[in-house]
Amino acid sequence: SQQGEEDPQALSIQEGENATMNCSYKTSINNLQWYRQNSGRGLVHLILIRSNEREKHSGRLRVTLDTSKKSSSLLITASRAADTASYFCATDAEEYGNKLVFGAGTILRVKS
Amino acid sequence: EAGVVQSPRYKIIEKKQPVAFWCNPISGHNTLYWYRQNLGQGPELLIRYENEEAVDDSQLPKDRFSAERLKGVDSTLKIQPAELGDSAVYLCASRSGGLGYNEQFFGPGTRLTVL
Repeated sequence: SQQGEEDPQALSIQEGENATMNCSYKTSINNLQWYRQNSGRGLVHLILIRSNEREKHSGRLRVTLDTSKKSSSLLITASRAADTASYFCATDAEEYGNKLVFGAGTILRVKS
Repeated sequence: EAGVVQSPRYKIIEKKQPVAFWCNPISGHNTLYWYRQNLGQGPELLIRYENEEAVDDSQLPKDRFSAERLKGVDSTLKIQPAELGDSAVYLCASRSGGLGYNEQFFGPGTRLTVL
């Protein structure tokens, strides 16, 4: 089974609303990363949070990490139609050979 | 700066045929990855290269898949013979390597359809 699992599987919101996606994982990690994938395009790295960090911001993105619950959340504020994409969390853990292990992703649709 | 280049973007073949994918990483990136992404799933690592050495190929199905990275620059992933279950998007990524964390940069992928 996969290390990371995103929730919800799909999310549909109106432009201007906030979108929150969650990721749960199973083992201790070095860091957790979030990626975005637009339809038909490759993955783009959004943000990385290390295991000793609790929160990071990048523009309209806010990521939190709770290592006690083995979970992370990605918040996109003031969403735009261009944010429509699939969002994946990926964990870097020694137990998995320090390679990125991706979850199944959350499909976000922002309606204008 | 050019990104990771992959070709072809799309490939349709019949089962039992061979197929090859090509990747040119970002200039100067020592680490190269091949991932497979099935529909509705996240990418799964197939193989990782550090320069020309394959340092992690534990998830590469070696009975039919092979890869090479001659001269430590571009790379080729081959499937022979292809099976129906190989239909997926094959992604190449590169990273500059060195100490500390460096993000992976992904190419657009090759969408393979096996009929």
